[in-house]
Amino acid sequence: DAGVIQSPRHEVTEMGQEVTLRCKPISGHDYLFWYRQTMMRGLELLIYFNNNVPIDDSGMPEDRFSAKMPNASFSTLKIQPSEPRDSAVYFCASSSAVPYGYTFGSGTRLTVV
Amino acid sequence: KQEVTQIPAALSVPEGENLVLNCSFTDSAIYNLQWFRQDPGKGLTSLLLIQSSQREQTSGRLNASLDKSSGRSTLYIAASQPGDSATYLCAVDTGRRALTFGSGTRLQVQP
Repeated sequence: DAGVIQSPRHEVTEMGQEVTLRCKPISGHDYLFWYRQTMMRGLELLIYFNNNVPIDDSGMPEDRFSAKMPNASFSTLKIQPSEPRDSAVYFCASSSAVPYGYTFGSGTRLTVV
Repeated sequence: KQEVTQIPAALSVPEGENLVLNCSFTDSAIYNLQWFRQDPGKGLTSLLLIQSSQREQTSGRLNASLDKSSGRSTLYIAASQPGDSATYLCAVDTGRRALTFGSGTRLQVQP
């Protein structure tokens, strides 16, 4: 298995533009998570899905952030409009119930200028 | 709300030393605790997973212990090597699957 695949690896965009981050989880994993990592706040959970259904989006900072999981093999995190304070590394992770496993993608480094 | 703290924030040791990284959590009602390793510019790699009913787990030169009642875990690294240089993150799962992370310990092993 290729692991959790995220794209793009790096994204530089101008303030006000729409940004879409993509994630392909490991096949068979029934949980998918979006985390954000910054120097100031560390790793924070944004939202997670179970069987494609959003379970907890309380970590989504504002209405500018939205996430979807249209099927078991694909998820997106969208920021519209983007702001400089959204600059961070965004990680996607997937997890299986049995056996318990947690796999992170390599992350997307987002820079908003 | 679960909070996870890691001490020290940074550590520099000469090669060959044994070392201990500390993690504490405020809510003892956890499902499991994991230790991850993160290399610069990379994702997280799971090192050890300790279920709430377990006291410790070992993998090679790594040993992690868990004391749920006191809200503490330690990661022991034996005979450290320069290749161990990385940031080590502790994370707890309270049963809802989402992880709460500590801020990490940045380890530098000097050759």
